[in-house]
Amino acid sequence: AQTVTQSQPEMSVQEAETVTLSCTYDTSENNYYLFWYKQPPSRQMILVIRQEAYKQQNATENRFSVNFQKAAKSFSLKISDSQLGDTAMYFCAFMKLQYSGGGADGLTFGKGTHLIIQP
Amino acid sequence: AAGVIQSPRHLIKEKRETATLKCYPIPRHDTVYWYQQGPGQDPQFLISFYEKMQSDKGSIPDRFSAQQFSDYHSELNMSSLELGDSALYFCASSLEGTSGGYEQYFGPGTRLTVT
Repeated sequence: AQTVTQSQPEMSVQEAETVTLSCTYDTSENNYYLFWYKQPPSRQMILVIRQEAYKQQNATENRFSVNFQKAAKSFSLKISDSQLGDTAMYFCAFMKLQYSGGGADGLTFGKGTHLIIQP
Repeated sequence: AAGVIQSPRHLIKEKRETATLKCYPIPRHDTVYWYQQGPGQDPQFLISFYEKMQSDKGSIPDRFSAQQFSDYHSELNMSSLELGDSALYFCASSLEGTSGGYEQYFGPGTRLTVT
């Protein structure tokens, strides 16, 4: 079974600053994906960024980028030029691909980091 | 763009009653996932279906069952409801394989309250 650990229950930064959220995971699998999801007060789950384990290049999506260290099983999220709308709960998630074909397993989430952007 | 649709959005039931939650995935998506999120908790995976067959099973209670129909919509049936079943239930869909990206897109959730 996989485990995902987010060691920062809450973080607070000023608007326009850069912030990094930490995530580590434990798995014996070699074929998997990692994700960051954002959950604002509306409680909608919003996909932020995806990283395939077989790719060495770190994923980027506009102001969001990851630092994926496969050997260290670390997957941190960096938010640049933070905005008030970035205030939300951020969940790191692990997904194992099925070798037999026919899809992937369900997501295993970390406990989340509550990010507060101060004006 | 079309998103995942869940109905109802809110549901209030009494203990020992039965509830049915519905999920309509994004068009052309072939996989549906169900998650349960209690207050202040991270989402917990319940069950998934790929091409109408059960694909993976998580911490789904025996009182719960689910299926995916020929039009790819899915239903989660919950019986003998308990107070602890009060939670936000998410459905997510994805497109698997090389043509997809395995990214799961979540619906807005169904808030179930058991009294």
